[in-house]
Amino acid sequence: AQSVTQLDSQVPVFEEAPVELRCNYSSSVSVYLFWYVQYPNQGLQLLLKYLSGSTLVKGINGFEAEFNKSQTSFHLRKPSVHISDTAEYFCAVKSGYSTLTFGKGTMLLVSP
Amino acid sequence: EAGVTQSPTHLIKTRGQQATLRCSPISGHTSVYWYQQALGLGLQFLLWYDEGEERNRGNFPPRFSGRQFPNYSSELNVNALELEDSALYLCASSFGGQGTEAFFGQGTRLTVV
Repeated sequence: AQSVTQLDSQVPVFEEAPVELRCNYSSSVSVYLFWYVQYPNQGLQLLLKYLSGSTLVKGINGFEAEFNKSQTSFHLRKPSVHISDTAEYFCAVKSGYSTLTFGKGTMLLVSP
Repeated sequence: EAGVTQSPTHLIKTRGQQATLRCSPISGHTSVYWYQQALGLGLQFLLWYDEGEERNRGNFPPRFSGRQFPNYSSELNVNALELEDSALYLCASSFGGQGTEAFFGQGTRLTVV
């Protein structure tokens, strides 16, 4: 069985400040890891993914994430956030022939 | 290339009625996933179809059912609607169950009154 824990339900931050959204996963096998973003009243958009290879992955909108196998983490970072980054962010895990398992989401609130 | 499309975008039903939600995957994708996103409950996995077969089912009562058609589009049916079924229902598709990422539609907002 696989599971995802997003430790923060909300993260408030000022515009142009850096941000880190935390994600930990558990799985007994090798995994693929994803971050999705959801803007109000919309579906989910893929931000970035880790499949294999380099543990630092870069995504859209200036986001990046680092896969840490020993700590079973896949934290999302952005060095300088914008108001438009205000949204809900979901971490997800998938292993082999299976469905995506999501965390409960982290609401990123960017204020001026 | 068209993305995942869901219809209708909004649906209002009365308690006890049935709702049917539809999803068309990206061309070439054979897997379709359904998720329920109710307020405060995150994304709950409902159903997964691949190559016309139900591959997995989440922890939902049997009144939630669905199917996948030969063209890989899918339908989610919810019978005997309850107020707590009010939610955003999201459909996603991928290249089979081994697909490395899923692409989501915009969702159907179901309101049960």
